[in-house]
Amino acid sequence: GESVGLHLPTLSVQEGDNSIINCAYSNSASDYFIWYKQESGKGPQFIIDIRSNMDKRQGQRVTVLLNKTVKHLSLQIAATQPGDSAVYFCAEKKAGNTGKLIFGQGTTLQVKP
Amino acid sequence: NAGVTQTPKFRVLKTGQSMTLLCAQDMNHEYMYWYRQDPGMGLRLIHYSVGEGTTAKGEVPDGYNVSRLKKQNFLLGLESAAPSQTSVYFCASSNRPGLAGSEQFFGPGTRLTVL
Repeated sequence: GESVGLHLPTLSVQEGDNSIINCAYSNSASDYFIWYKQESGKGPQFIIDIRSNMDKRQGQRVTVLLNKTVKHLSLQIAATQPGDSAVYFCAEKKAGNTGKLIFGQGTTLQVKP
Repeated sequence: NAGVTQTPKFRVLKTGQSMTLLCAQDMNHEYMYWYRQDPGMGLRLIHYSVGEGTTAKGEVPDGYNVSRLKKQNFLLGLESAAPSQTSVYFCASSNRPGLAGSEQFFGPGTRLTVL
């Protein structure tokens, strides 16, 4: 069946270090993969997405890598800051015009000062 | 712009009671979505709408109904609340897929407890 999952429920990193959050997916019939950040008590916030025909995309302090061979997605955060502490979700957007997303379970990123 | 707003922020219901959650967006988005989020889990799609007057079922639609009478509003109804519907509900909106800015924008959520 369809599923999008993350490898680790919690990731703890030192402030200033780089963070890598991983995600595995099983459904290949999607055209975008997306990362969302959710802070406590708030709704998810879009970080970055990557089209399924790409393998890397960079944003401000973030990079998303897509490996379609092993169905793996990762989010790299450079120079992690306390404000990056949150739950991170990967999601895949099903191909077509509905815009429907399938979310993974989330990884909690804890940044130690 | 306020973005996506949700009313109410919190609500406690007794089993069997009904209620309506309101979502409003001021970004002129065509698409709107209702999700639920249970502890330690990702979001699951309940219902969605691809335009005014249209609705469709998502992944977990049972026990919920929706209406999209106006483009800017998307209502989620619980006709007879059950404890299994205790959750945090998020509304989102987006442009049509393929257009610039078609990522989903989320509201702050409604925390619902059914006793």
